[in-house]
Amino acid sequence: DAKTTQPPSMDCAEGRAANLPCNHSTISGNEYVYWYRQIHSQGPQYIIHGLKNNETNEMASLIITEDRKSSTLILPHATLRDTAVYYCIVRVGAGNQFYFGTGTSLTVIP
Amino acid sequence: SQTIHQWPATLVQPVGSPLSLECTVEGTSNPNLYWYRQAAGRGLQLLFYSVGIGQISSEVPQNLSASRPQDRQFILSSKKLLLSDSGFYLCAWRTSGNTYEQYFGPGTRLTVT
Repeated sequence: DAKTTQPPSMDCAEGRAANLPCNHSTISGNEYVYWYRQIHSQGPQYIIHGLKNNETNEMASLIITEDRKSSTLILPHATLRDTAVYYCIVRVGAGNQFYFGTGTSLTVIP
Repeated sequence: SQTIHQWPATLVQPVGSPLSLECTVEGTSNPNLYWYRQAAGRGLQLLFYSVGIGQISSEVPQNLSASRPQDRQFILSSKKLLLSDSGFYLCAWRTSGNTYEQYFGPGTRLTVT
């Protein structure tokens, strides 16, 4: 699986958009980009995934660059409850192995 | 709806003692099941996954083992715990079909003393 690189931490003001970047420069054509988040002392929660096109759901938007070497998770109006560690994962299809790195610790500031 | 249970929620065990953590899933059949461990301040490490009863794949060689005696039951065990086994243990499931989401349980926080 392709390796992902994320900044270790970010801050965002409450009510503003949070843009979390992820680099996956070795991604192959059949690998999907997944995003999960983990609120302190809880299990990770699935957010969104995509292959080539940008995706949006009730939680977030996923923007994937045309060359697919990087992506950005956007939380349009961050709230204090969005404070969590966000993981970007690249995996072939549905897959059986999900390798979580250390992610980005997002702190939403009042 | 589907739910996933893990117990116990917290556990303190001495070095060299045995371990048994249990995970059960309700509301689905033939799920893929996973055990992860998260050490303090670290990312999640995949330990084991199972695609069916009695079928276990190990990702990292260690003193832990896993078993799946029933379709919706996944057990993590150790005969002798090490200090390095301390961490947050998470069970997760995914349907065996063409879906992409893993659903995680509440976790067990294990402290080996």
